[in-house]
Amino acid sequence: KQEVTQIPAALSVPEGENLVLNCSFTDSAIYNLQWFRQDPGKGLTSLLLIQSSQREQTSGRLNASLDKSSGRSTLYIAASQPGDSATYLCAAGDTGANNLFFGTGTRLTVIP
Amino acid sequence: DVKVTQSSRYLVKRTGEKVFLECVQDMDHENMFWYRQDPGLGLRLIYFSYDVKMKEKGDIPEGYSVSREKKERFSLILESASTNQTSMYLCASSRRGTVNSPLHFGNGTRLTVT
Repeated sequence: KQEVTQIPAALSVPEGENLVLNCSFTDSAIYNLQWFRQDPGKGLTSLLLIQSSQREQTSGRLNASLDKSSGRSTLYIAASQPGDSATYLCAAGDTGANNLFFGTGTRLTVIP
Repeated sequence: DVKVTQSSRYLVKRTGEKVFLECVQDMDHENMFWYRQDPGLGLRLIYFSYDVKMKEKGDIPEGYSVSREKKERFSLILESASTNQTSMYLCASSRRGTVNSPLHFGNGTRLTVT
């Protein structure tokens, strides 16, 4: 069964810093890799989706990369802002795309 | 924008009660999902449905059932609520048959069973 790990569980950075969030998965036979943001007490918001045939996706200050062979994905956030404070979760889609296996998330705090 | 709406943000129920959690999406998505989220355990799939009247068990279906009578609506049913079902429940939807269809989530229902 796919296992997804996100380390660290929590991260604090000063405003303006560039940062990288890490995600690792055990089974490289994935359909896609998705990154989500979750604000306290809310649902998840999709940030980026990388198809298994792709290496990276970009949206504004966010860039996500995928290395299937090593079982790793990273989410790069440029010029962090206090509004980026949230929990970030990654999820690996199985080959049927009927299930996503989620990590437990990294709680990011950007200090003004 | 895709909208996934869960009928209740907070629910408090008693042990043994039958509980219905409702979810509606407005983007004609084929796939719908129910997850529960617990601290330290992340999100775990309870059930999903890829079409009307179709359902598949996820990782933790015990104690739950689902109903999908219409494409836009997916209901989660706790047949006899127990305290270990206290959790945040998240509904999601996606389009079927494309590698580029992200999952869209509702805002969640926080259920407390006393």
